[in-house]
Amino acid sequence: SQQGEEDPQALSIQEGENATMNCSYKTSINNLQWYRQNSGRGLVHLILIRSNEREKHSGRLRVTLDTSKKSSSLLITASRAADTASYFCAPSTGANNLFFGTGTRLTVIP
Amino acid sequence: DTEVTQTPKHLVMGMTNKKSLKCEQHMGHRAMYWYKQKAKKPPELMFVYSYEKLSINESVPSRFSPECPNSSLLNLHLHALQPEDSALYLCASSQDGGGASTDTQYFGPGTRLTVL
Repeated sequence: SQQGEEDPQALSIQEGENATMNCSYKTSINNLQWYRQNSGRGLVHLILIRSNEREKHSGRLRVTLDTSKKSSSLLITASRAADTASYFCAPSTGANNLFFGTGTRLTVIP
Repeated sequence: DTEVTQTPKHLVMGMTNKKSLKCEQHMGHRAMYWYKQKAKKPPELMFVYSYEKLSINESVPSRFSPECPNSSLLNLHLHALQPEDSALYLCASSQDGGGASTDTQYFGPGTRLTVL
């Protein structure tokens, strides 16, 4: 399966703390994408990291990719209550298909 | 305009009804997608349209029938659904219909479907 698996399934932190979520996958990929979903709404693209990249930053987000271990991590620094959402990784072969991971439900407590 | 719109927001239908979900984007994207998402689960890909042609059907039952009338519109026709089909149906679009490796998807807010 191309689907990612995320860990932890749920994470609860205090505002201002950092949040780290991990994604593992099984097949070769062209890129890996991270998306956020607020409760019951559409997904929002956060960041894309290509298979030849090891680390990427976007604002308070830092993504790493280790293709030898078939794993990725998403770090959110200085978390805010508005970061409360579900986060999905999506390994992609680049062929118009995204297979979303199981997701991490992040709760940031004010 | 970087928005994907979906109508209706909510839909309740009986198992004998015929209804349609609609999706629209005006970003000039050439690929459009339907996903199904059950509660506390990730979205599951159903269909992909590339340059207005169906390119991927993830073994979806025939009671779901997609249609792409033009490059901006995507419909999902529903007929004889089952209660287990109740879910959030998400539409998405991406720029390159050819599946570029750097292609990201833009999602609509979804239609919450309940089948009685």
